Amino acid sequence: DAKTTQPTSMDCAEGRAANLPCNHSTISGNEYVYWYRQIHSQGPQYIIHGLKNNETNEMASLIITEDRKSSTLILPHATLRDTAVYYCIVRVPLNNAGNMLTFGGGTRLMVKP
Amino acid sequence: DTAVSQTPKYLVTQMGNDKSIKCEQNLGHDTMYWYKQDSKKFLKIMFSYNNKELIINETVPNRFSPKSPDKAHLNLHINSLELGDSAVYFCATSSGPGRNEQFFGPGTRLTVL
Repeated sequence: DAKTTQPTSMDCAEGRAANLPCNHSTISGNEYVYWYRQIHSQGPQYIIHGLKNNETNEMASLIITEDRKSSTLILPHATLRDTAVYYCIVRVPLNNAGNMLTFGGGTRLMVKP
Repeated sequence: DTAVSQTPKYLVTQMGNDKSIKCEQNLGHDTMYWYKQDSKKFLKIMFSYNNKELIINETVPNRFSPKSPDKAHLNLHINSLELGDSAVYFCATSSGPGRNEQFFGPGTRLTVL
């Protein structure tokens, strides 16, 4: 799996957009970018994933650069409940051997009032 | 209804004891996983099961034995507990081994004294 690099921590004001970057310069052509988050004392929660096109769902938007070497997760209107550790994972989704998600250190996002 | 549930939520026990953690999912998914999150918060895959069959065993000591009585359950039995087994254990599911959108349970915090 391609290695990812994320900032250790970020702050965001409540109501503003939170933009969380992820570098994955060694990503290969068939690897997807996945984002999960873990709110304190809870299990990880799937947010969004994409291959090369930008994606949006009810939780967030995912912007992937044209060369696919980096991506940004956007929470359009951050709330206090979005305070969590956000993990960027690069992975080939089709794996007959089963799916092992490898979580790195992630970005600790603190949303402040 | 909780999609992925684990019992117990907290487990405190002495070294050398044998204990089990249970996981149940009502999503109708075929694939279930066990992850371990250590004190440094890194999440690591332990096991992956698909249709009640073991797919992945990530060099976990054989004191750990997963059991899947049916597709909705994946239990984790741990023999001869050691101090280093103290961690939070998460169960997760996905609709198939090639699906990276995984749904996690709330976790079981195991403390070995």
